[in-house]
Amino acid sequence: KNQVEQSPQSLIILEGKNCTLQCNYTVSPFSNLRWYKQDTGRGPVSLTIMTFSENTKSNGRYTATLDADTKQSSLHITASQLSDSASYICVVNPREDDYKLSFGAGTTVTVRA
Amino acid sequence: DAMVIQNPRYQVTQFGKPVTLSCSQTLNHNVMYWYQQKSSQAPKLLFHYYDKDFNNEADTPDNFQSRRPNTSFCFLDIRSPGLGDAAMYLCATSDPRGGLAGVEQYFGPGTRLTVT
Repeated sequence: KNQVEQSPQSLIILEGKNCTLQCNYTVSPFSNLRWYKQDTGRGPVSLTIMTFSENTKSNGRYTATLDADTKQSSLHITASQLSDSASYICVVNPREDDYKLSFGAGTTVTVRA
Repeated sequence: DAMVIQNPRYQVTQFGKPVTLSCSQTLNHNVMYWYQQKSSQAPKLLFHYYDKDFNNEADTPDNFQSRRPNTSFCFLDIRSPGLGDAAMYLCATSDPRGGLAGVEQYFGPGTRLTVT
């Protein structure tokens, strides 16, 4: 069964600080791995997308890394802002089925002033 | 701007009273999806349409039905909502021409369903 596990489940950081979220997956082979940001009561919005051959992808203050050998990905948030408070979801696209994504349960980030 | 729109954003229905949620898209994507997301959980795929071809997930209850009258619109019908059906319902779309890079899914803002 394809699984995606995220850690930590939640974290609290002070505004301006950095943080790193982890994603471990068993989906193999896969087409791409994505990180989504989901604000409370809203739909997920794509932050980064990496193919299986990419190691890193940045989107402003968000940087995602991928290690296909260890089946791990991370999302690093630099100089956090209050608007970064949200759930961050790791999603893996299995190569054999483009239509059934494997979702992690998400990490809830709270940024405090 | 091209987008995925869901209406209503908040829906309250009574136990057992049928309810319909709607989704429309201006992206002209072939594929549309419906997900159920409960609090602090990952979205769970209910079904998807590839054009008019309906693909139901094996564990989606019969209580959930869907219609796609045209490319732009897709509806989720819950025939007899139970208290356990209270959740956020997300609509998403994709263009299947992703090739080796896979397929990007674009999500709507969701409809929060409350069952009283």
